[in-house]
Formats: sequence, structure tokens, C-alpha cells
Amino acid sequence: EIVLTQSPGTLSLSPGERAALSCRASQSISSNYLAWYQQKPGQAPRLLIYGASSRATGIPDRFSGSGSGTDFTLTISRLEPEDFAVYYCQQYGNSPYTFGQGTKLEIK
Amino acid sequence: QVQLVESGGGVVQPGRSLRLSCVASGFTFRSYGMHWVRQGPGKGLEWVAVISNDGNTKYYADSVKGRFTISRDNSKNTLYLQMNSLRAEDTAMYYCTGPVSSDYWGQGTLVTVSS
Repeated sequence: EIVLTQSPGTLSLSPGERAALSCRASQSISSNYLAWYQQKPGQAPRLLIYGASSRATGIPDRFSGSGSGTDFTLTISRLEPEDFAVYYCQQYGNSPYTFGQGTKLEIK
Repeated sequence: QVQLVESGGGVVQPGRSLRLSCVASGFTFRSYGMHWVRQGPGKGLEWVAVISNDGNTKYYADSVKGRFTISRDNSKNTLYLQMNSLRAEDTAMYYCTGPVSSDYWGQGTLVTVSS
């Protein structure tokens, strides 16, 4: 099983700042099958990035994904108030298709 | 528009069974693999199971292997999750989802395992 470790656990930033969220895998993820999700309280997750760097439909270009192999990053270039939420990474290259434990992005 | 509507959740005693359903609309259901993902109260997301578009290939998380069975009926555009030998740690919101790149998610159905 591929274990995904997200860091930091909590990130405290202000609107307008840049956020960088890390997702590290215990082994290489095949074909860069790595996705990022945003989840707000009481809502289903929303896909932001798939294939490590492809933005999902309707996702603003301030969200970008990068990385390969075992190290991946979600970058939010300029935080908007609506971006404060919990973010998860998921690998879907090998079963079981594991999630990271999440990073909470909170307003400083 | 795409809709995934889960049902079948509820309160059940440990050791009992429950079957979840997910009715899909707005896309060609028979063309896509489908997943179940769950989220315990105050916890993170946990992938549960996946089934191929034709139903012939299935994979499970270790935590549910041997107890849960994923299946589908393409004639009814419906995905199922049969959950047997339920445990307290299976308490969660259960989401039906499409392929990862699709962002097809239902709103979830809540399963509570408690005596």
C-alpha cells in the first residue's frame, strides 16, 4: 500500500499570500496518478488537480499542481477567502487508492 | 447535469449488514469505473472500493476486504455497496464517486454502527 504523507498538518496564512502544500508518497506513483481535493465543512470533496498537474474543469488558475515520482505540491498563488479549507491528496495509480491525511488551511 | 444520489444509510448494530445504493444520471454510467469513499466523523477521506465499468474487476481497501462487496447494475445506472459484519469503525459518511478525473461525487449517505 502506498502511504501518502501531507505536510504541514495545518497552515496559517492570510488572504493574498501564497500557499504550498506537500504530499509525499512512500513509493513512486505510477504515471503521476496523483489528485488534489478541497473540502469544506458539510460538503463533498471537490477535485482541483488530477494527473499531478492538470486542473479540473472550472478550477481557477491560481491553483497549480506539480511534482512527480514521490514528491508532489499543490500551490495556491494568491489566497482568496474561499480557499480556506481542508486539502487532500490521493494516489490512483495502484490499488488501494489511498488518500493523505489532509492539510487544513486556516486564516491567520 | 451529472447526479449521483446515494441511499441506504442508517443506524445498524455491530455485526449486522447494510446495502448502499447510488443512482447515477447525466453521464454514460456503463462507460466508467466507479468508487466508494468514506469519511468518519471528524476524520479524513478513506478510499473503500472500486469496480470497473463492466463489473469484472474489483479492488478493496484492506480495512473492508472480505466484509464489503461492490457491485453495479448498468441497466439501472446503479452502484451498490454490500456491507456485512459491520463494526463501530465503519461509522462514516459514504460517498459514491466516478473516475478520479471526473469530479463526480454524490452528497453521501450516513452509516452509523452502534448498539
